[in-house]
Amino acid sequence: GDSVTQMEGPVTLSEEAFLTINCTYTATGYPSLFWYVQYPGEGLQLLLKATKADDKGSNKGFEATYRKETTSFHLEKGSVQVSDSAVYFCASRSVVGDKVIFGPGTSLSVIP
Amino acid sequence: DAGVTQSPTHLIKTRGQHVTLRCSPISGHKSVSWYQQVLGQGPQFIFQYYEKEERGRGNFPDRFSARQFPNYSSELNVNALLLGDSALYLCASSKTPLIDEKLFFGSGTQLSVL
Repeated sequence: GDSVTQMEGPVTLSEEAFLTINCTYTATGYPSLFWYVQYPGEGLQLLLKATKADDKGSNKGFEATYRKETTSFHLEKGSVQVSDSAVYFCASRSVVGDKVIFGPGTSLSVIP
Repeated sequence: DAGVTQSPTHLIKTRGQHVTLRCSPISGHKSVSWYQQVLGQGPQFIFQYYEKEERGRGNFPDRFSARQFPNYSSELNVNALLLGDSALYLCASSKTPLIDEKLFFGSGTQLSVL
């Protein structure tokens, strides 16, 4: 069945460091891919998405490119801030069925 | 506009009891999904409803059921509670069930089964 795998956390970075959170997926057909973020004490919210191969999603300085050949959707940010501290979830939604499949989440802590 | 609202925010039950969780979607959203999030894990899909019809069901036992009302609000029911049902239950709404549609999540109901 469909699945999403992402790098284990927690990840701790200093402010202004470069961030990469790896995500790979297995899916039937051509899924849409998402990154959701959960800030402390808040609900899940969409960070960015990409709906077809080679699409790049971007928001708030974060980027991720839909790589069909490597079945990956890695999240990157050039310079993280303390306010980026949160749990990040990679997710996919396939043409087969309507459910969104989430990865286990990666906790990011950014220290000043 | 109000976001997705869930009630109650916290709930404590004992094994064998029944629980009903409620969700009101964003105005204009006709699709509601339910997810279970165990501490330290990603959300797991339970149900999706669109226009009051079940459109998808995850790998959960028949003790879990749901429905959607004419105003598009939804209830999740869990019978014969087990300790393992302790989790954060999330409701998400969207305008349609299309695969690229953005989901809007509520803050969840934290269920503790003792």
